Amino acid sequence: QKEVEQNSGPLSVPEGAIASLNCTYSDRGSQSFFWYRQYSGKSPELIMFIYSNGDKEDGRFTAQLNKASQYVSLLIRDSQPSDSATYLCAVKAWGGSYIPTFGRGTSLIVHP
Amino acid sequence: GAVVSQHPSWVICKSGTSVKIECRSLDFQATTMFWYRQFPKQSLMLMATSNEGSKATYEQGVEKDKFLINHASLTLSTLTVTSAHPEDSSFYICSASQSQGSFGSGTRLTVV
Repeated sequence: QKEVEQNSGPLSVPEGAIASLNCTYSDRGSQSFFWYRQYSGKSPELIMFIYSNGDKEDGRFTAQLNKASQYVSLLIRDSQPSDSATYLCAVKAWGGSYIPTFGRGTSLIVHP
Repeated sequence: GAVVSQHPSWVICKSGTSVKIECRSLDFQATTMFWYRQFPKQSLMLMATSNEGSKATYEQGVEKDKFLINHASLTLSTLTVTSAHPEDSSFYICSASQSQGSFGSGTRLTVV
């Protein structure tokens, strides 16, 4: 059973702070990792994906991957109230099944 | 690119009736689409994989006779919830396999 674990939160941070969202996964064969943002009542939208160990930065977002620890995280710098949403972590194995496994999501609240 | 259009965005129906949800790929051909269901504060749960020109593959526990999937063309997949019951009330989302970010906008189904 492939599992993707996220703390459901809510994670509350003040505006301007760094929000750190974490995700662990059970399948060592996982090769692709994705972070989605989902606003209430809306479908997910892709923020970032990462394939290699290390950090990947895109604007205010940084994804961090540690395959040895089976851990992927998302950092949001200079958090804004508009970042308040649920953040879903998704994991795909390489080859074989290309169907992503989603975590339950972490609710982020950025307060002014 | 890789835009997926989903309709309707919300629907209310009476118990026992059927509801059809459409998912279209607007600027690409989608040989495979995924159908998800999401209950409040839960993650996306894959219901089935829709393959153009062949039968859909259903996940364990999903009734294929209740959730009818048709993928008759490379740009259209439909999910029909037959004999709907209140417990089928949920948020249904489609996604194209070609692009990790291509989710439909979702359909909020309420069965009364």
